[in-house]
Amino acid sequence: AQSVAQPEDQVNVAEGNPLTVKCTYSVSGNPYLFWYVQYPNRGLQFLLKYITGDNLVKGSYGFEAEFNKSQTSFHLKKPSALVSDSALYFCAVRDRDDYKLSFGAGTTVTVRA
Amino acid sequence: NAGVTQNPKFQVLKTGQSMTLQCAQDMNHNSMYWYRQDPGMGLRLIYYSASEGTTDKGEVPNGYNVSRLNKREFSLRLESAAPSQTSVYFCASSEQIPGSSYNSPLHFGNGTRLTVT
Repeated sequence: AQSVAQPEDQVNVAEGNPLTVKCTYSVSGNPYLFWYVQYPNRGLQFLLKYITGDNLVKGSYGFEAEFNKSQTSFHLKKPSALVSDSALYFCAVRDRDDYKLSFGAGTTVTVRA
Repeated sequence: NAGVTQNPKFQVLKTGQSMTLQCAQDMNHNSMYWYRQDPGMGLRLIYYSASEGTTDKGEVPNGYNVSRLNKREFSLRLESAAPSQTSVYFCASSEQIPGSSYNSPLHFGNGTRLTVT
């Protein structure tokens, strides 16, 4: 079985400050890891993924994520947050041999001006 | 390209009524998915289709049926709606080649907001 935990329901940061959204995962085999963002009344949009190789993955809109195998984590980061980054963020994991993509419960990010 | 298109955008049903949620993608993707989104629970997989003519149950298939009509279209049917099926339903597709590693991201539609009274 596979699962994802996003320990924070909400993250609040000031514009210009660093943003971190936490994610830990559990999977029996080797993981593929994904981050998605959802704006109000819209579907999820893909931000970035980890497949293999470098532990630091860069994605859309200046976001990056760091894969840490020993801590089974895949935290999403942005060095300088924008008000427009305010949204709902989902971490997702998939075992490499399984089509099922399991999502975390989501973290609401609010960036204040 | 429209991507993944879902219809209708909103729907209100009475308990016991039936309806079909439509989904179509124009990206020539093999794999298609139906998820439901409920507050605090993330997204849960209802059904999955690896390719035209194949479907598999996900985490929460009870009360739903699906049809992969062709490569483009994947519909979700509620035969007898219940208040527990009040949710936001998302269709997604993926450029997954059967038999290869599952590393392709999903592309989502904008959802159908269903209320069952």
